[in-house]
Amino acid sequence: EVQLVETGGGLIQPGESLRLSCAASGFTVSSTFVTWVRQPPGMGLEWVSVIHSGGGIYYADSVKGRFTISRDNSKNTVFLQMDSLRAEDTAVYYCATNYYDTSGWFDPWGQGTLVTVSS
Amino acid sequence: EIVMTQSPATLSVSPGERATLSCRASQSVSSNLAWYQQKPGQAPRLLIYSTSTRATGVPARFSGSGSGTEFTLTISSLLSEDFAVYYCQQYNNWFPLTFGGGTKVEIK
Repeated sequence: EVQLVETGGGLIQPGESLRLSCAASGFTVSSTFVTWVRQPPGMGLEWVSVIHSGGGIYYADSVKGRFTISRDNSKNTVFLQMDSLRAEDTAVYYCATNYYDTSGWFDPWGQGTLVTVSS
Repeated sequence: EIVMTQSPATLSVSPGERATLSCRASQSVSSNLAWYQQKPGQAPRLLIYSTSTRATGVPARFSGSGSGTEFTLTISSLLSEDFAVYYCQQYNNWFPLTFGGGTKVEIK
């Protein structure tokens, strides 16, 4: 079964850092892209970042310079390092991929991990 | 950035009725348009990709149409499990990928 499991969320103060993990099973993270999408409480979906199979990395302008995506092929896991966190980064963070081809639609998604930035 | 606009924001429909959801792109996305369903406390679930191709396991009562800048998701006869929020997403331009604001389908 193809599955993604996010961990690492929690309550954190503004300006601090947090690292999210997205552990994959049923496929190899280096063979396709893995993306992060976030959803603030009660709001819609916002694309955050992607790492492609060839290593290409891209970010939304809202997180560029503060967030870093990476992967560990030996652990079959993708990470999102989030620095200089702000209240507006509060959201459920989902990782997702396209198991079927390289198009930019997402299936499957993980269950999400909640990040709350508050003093 | 391609802006995706969904309408209406909320759609009140009785079970068994047809629901028609709209999604408009600020510029052409060709047929590179996906639809997702999200229920409270759950991750989004892919319904449709490439404008009109149903994802694995998605019932035939869900259909997608359109091209360019105007797209539609139709649910032919609503069941109780279809009441949820629906999002469209363009993937014609990767950077950034963008979602619509969502349409909540509620019980009338």
